[in-house]
Amino acid sequence: SYELTQPPSVSVSPGQTATITCSGDKLGNKYACWYQQKPGQSPVLVIYQDNKRPSGIPERFSGSNSGSTATLTISGAQTMDEADYYCLAWDSNTVVFGGGTKLTVL
Amino acid sequence: EVQLVESGGGLVQPGGSLRLSCVASGFTFRYYWMNWVRQAPGKGLEWVANIKQDGSDKYYVDSVKGRFTISRDNARNSLYLQMNSLRAEDTAVYYCARDQGEAMAEFDYWGQGTLVTVSS
Repeated sequence: SYELTQPPSVSVSPGQTATITCSGDKLGNKYACWYQQKPGQSPVLVIYQDNKRPSGIPERFSGSNSGSTATLTISGAQTMDEADYYCLAWDSNTVVFGGGTKLTVL
Repeated sequence: EVQLVESGGGLVQPGGSLRLSCVASGFTFRYYWMNWVRQAPGKGLEWVANIKQDGSDKYYVDSVKGRFTISRDNARNSLYLQMNSLRAEDTAVYYCARDQGEAMAEFDYWGQGTLVTVSS
């Protein structure tokens, strides 16, 4: 079965750029999405189709996907961006989430 | 305003059954693929199943195949998940989620979730 691998945690200082990676076999040949989840809340879609932002998502969120790695970049991370982030891709009619990355901004 | 409201969760013994419901409002339900996603306590997200707009196509994660059945009633704007032969590892918050794309797993709206606990 298809697997997506994320680092368990990433830490940055406010104002710095946060980079979260997601690795999977030939992931660049698929579309990747990213979800943000804060404690006690439902997930929120922040990036879809590799690099598109839904309305209402700040411009500091961006995405890319090439080779075997998709990347979520938060430029000028803010304390409000502290959350768990999950990548997602679909393969052979099934949907796969990465294990999640806890982003700490302090 | 788009809303997804799940219900039907609760405590059930191993081997038991439960039926989850998700009522949608604020959009034309029959136009969208719909999904169930779950999250075990303190763990990550896991996609469970999805269903096409007219119910003709359904897909499941391997761990629930043969035990769970996803269905929908477009006249009632409702999504369902029938869960049978429940196991302790099925304990999770279950979310329903709308797919804004054509089965692209672009979940743009989520419900608040309903907790299912499988325990004796």
